[in-house]
Amino acid sequence: GAGVSQTPSNKVTEKGKYVELRCDPISGHTALYWYRQSLGQGPEFLIYFQGTGAADDSGLPNDRFFAVRPEGSVSTLKIQRTERGDSAVYLCASADPGQGINTQYFGPGTRLTVL
Amino acid sequence: QQQVKQSPQSLIVQKGGISIINCAYENTAFDYFPWYQQFPGKGPALLIAIRPDVSEKKEGRFTISFNKSAKQFSLHIMDSQPGDSATYFCAASRKSGNQFYFGTGTSLTVIP
Repeated sequence: GAGVSQTPSNKVTEKGKYVELRCDPISGHTALYWYRQSLGQGPEFLIYFQGTGAADDSGLPNDRFFAVRPEGSVSTLKIQRTERGDSAVYLCASADPGQGINTQYFGPGTRLTVL
Repeated sequence: QQQVKQSPQSLIVQKGGISIINCAYENTAFDYFPWYQQFPGKGPALLIAIRPDVSEKKEGRFTISFNKSAKQFSLHIMDSQPGDSATYFCAASRKSGNQFYFGTGTSLTVIP
């Protein structure tokens, strides 16, 4: 079946602008995660959704970052007043907790470049 | 601080050889340890995972060795192939938690 998809694949923006990154999880997966991956580093947790609610947003670096998942499927990560330090690959993952194992399936990521 | 420490940062192995990547953790609450493989421009893909109730898990050419007392685990790739050239990440998570803590990655190059 279809995997996790993310759009756009690349986003170039200017410092101070607002961006939205979209994630379509695997159908039926109730758990959704956002991670940020800087060059040469492992993914770093940002936020976790179970259904429509953010169950854990402890990884969001500051209040410029916000994410929603209004219908429990597609999620959007929103970044306000972007800074050059926000440049990274933003990864989305989904999981089916009902499987009883903590297996997260990752999308290809959105590469964000802030000029 | 880094919850999971991974080494080496890069590794070059001859085709047919064994690739070994090591990880260590501190938090004894971790109870799920996956390894992910990532190719350039792609997201991480689950390779193999282990829980601490076993000391070893093997799937094809890939084996995880787990040492609970030392809080270490490693990935062994037997008969390494050029197609295995990728970046490998170890990770850990808690049963009651939701996020994965990733290592910093190992860039593996298998030369023909």
